[in-house]
Amino acid sequence: AQSVTQPDIHITVSEGASLELRCNYSYGATPYLFWYVQSPGQGLQLLLKYFSGDTLVQGIKGFEAEFKRSQSSFNLRKPSVHWSDAAEYFCAVVVEGAQKLVFGQGTRLTINP
Amino acid sequence: DGGITQSPKYLFRKEGQNVTLSCEQNLNHDAMYWYRQDPGQGLRLIYYSQIVNDFQKGDIAEGYSVSREKKESFPLTVTSAQKNPTAFYLCASSDRGGTGELFFGEGSRLTVL
Repeated sequence: AQSVTQPDIHITVSEGASLELRCNYSYGATPYLFWYVQSPGQGLQLLLKYFSGDTLVQGIKGFEAEFKRSQSSFNLRKPSVHWSDAAEYFCAVVVEGAQKLVFGQGTRLTINP
Repeated sequence: DGGITQSPKYLFRKEGQNVTLSCEQNLNHDAMYWYRQDPGQGLRLIYYSQIVNDFQKGDIAEGYSVSREKKESFPLTVTSAQKNPTAFYLCASSDRGGTGELFFGEGSRLTVL
């Protein structure tokens, strides 16, 4: 079955430290990949997306993600986190021609001052 | 501004009552979706609609119903048959012929008393 896995349920980092959130997927076809962010009690906002081409994609708020086909991964990174980055992050995948996005379970990010 | 509007933001319901959550979009998107979010479980798809007057069940459709009489509107009814309706509900839309990027409303929190 198609699935998306975010292995880390909760991550805590210090302000100014680097961040990497992991995402793995299981699809046979070429996927379209997304990272969304959700502040408490709010909807989801798109951070970045990968469709094709350069496997390193830049997003909003200083985030980037790298698509690694050999590892079926699409990890999200930020060189230096800010307190305002505290939120829940969701990886999502859709296969070309499919009708719906499949989400991972989310990673909650806490920032220590 | 273009976007998705969900109402009400907070809703309380007694057991045995049906409630309807509103979702309206002015993005001219063909596809609309309803997700349910529970802590630690990510987003689970309830129903989706690719065009007017047509919709499909998602992964957890039991106890829910929808209609799609107009392109811009996709209301969700939580029926009394839904055994555990207390949750955060998110509506989203996308271009049907697009690459799957979703645009989300700010959500509706339903609490059953």
